[in-house]
Amino acid sequence: QQQVKQSPQSLIVQKGGISIINCAYENTAFDYFPWYQQFPGKGPALLIAIRPDVSEKKEGRFTISFNKSAKQFSLHIMDSQPGDSATYFCAASSRGSTLGRLYFGRGTQLTVWP
Amino acid sequence: DAGVIQSPRHEVTEMGQEVTLRCKPISGHDYLFWYRQTMMRGLELLIYFNNNVPIDDSGMPEDRFSAKMPNASFSTLKIQPSEPRDSAVYFCASSLREFGYTFGSGTRLTVV
Repeated sequence: QQQVKQSPQSLIVQKGGISIINCAYENTAFDYFPWYQQFPGKGPALLIAIRPDVSEKKEGRFTISFNKSAKQFSLHIMDSQPGDSATYFCAASSRGSTLGRLYFGRGTQLTVWP
Repeated sequence: DAGVIQSPRHEVTEMGQEVTLRCKPISGHDYLFWYRQTMMRGLELLIYFNNNVPIDDSGMPEDRFSAKMPNASFSTLKIQPSEPRDSAVYFCASSLREFGYTFGSGTRLTVV
């Protein structure tokens, strides 16, 4: 059973446009929501993360929006650049559980055309 | 810090052979995770350790897979015997509980 559902599977955006990736979860115990970025031939790397006590977190061109009541969160990439072309994974975990195990979404392959 | 170090980067082996993948976590991290990545199934958690103790191995596909963590600085994932369907990229990741995972660069395994 997929604990975190991610969409779309792939996304093509023109340079300068906004890329939006969505994730949804069911487990209300989740309280930590990171996003990972993976380039070909590399392991995923932590990009940005949010806790449910805030509805938005921004770091440069990357913003996480969080809707606790809907159990959804999304990644927005403003002014998308070709260098942003990568696979993005959302994830969730419950810090109060036995440990910091992350549940990953299936990933979104983003292509930004110049 | 050199990050999470995995070896080998690439492994090509014949069906039926034993394969051993290695991982050196970041010093001081108390969790270690083994993941498998394929196009069909995405990132799958195989097993994870806390303070060198296996916590959950329910993701290990079958008895052909085994993992050990003899000390805080080393872990292995072994497949014996290997099969073509084991072909994938295997990632090791480590974390200090309250922080995000750090992944290694992965081992691309091809079983022919």
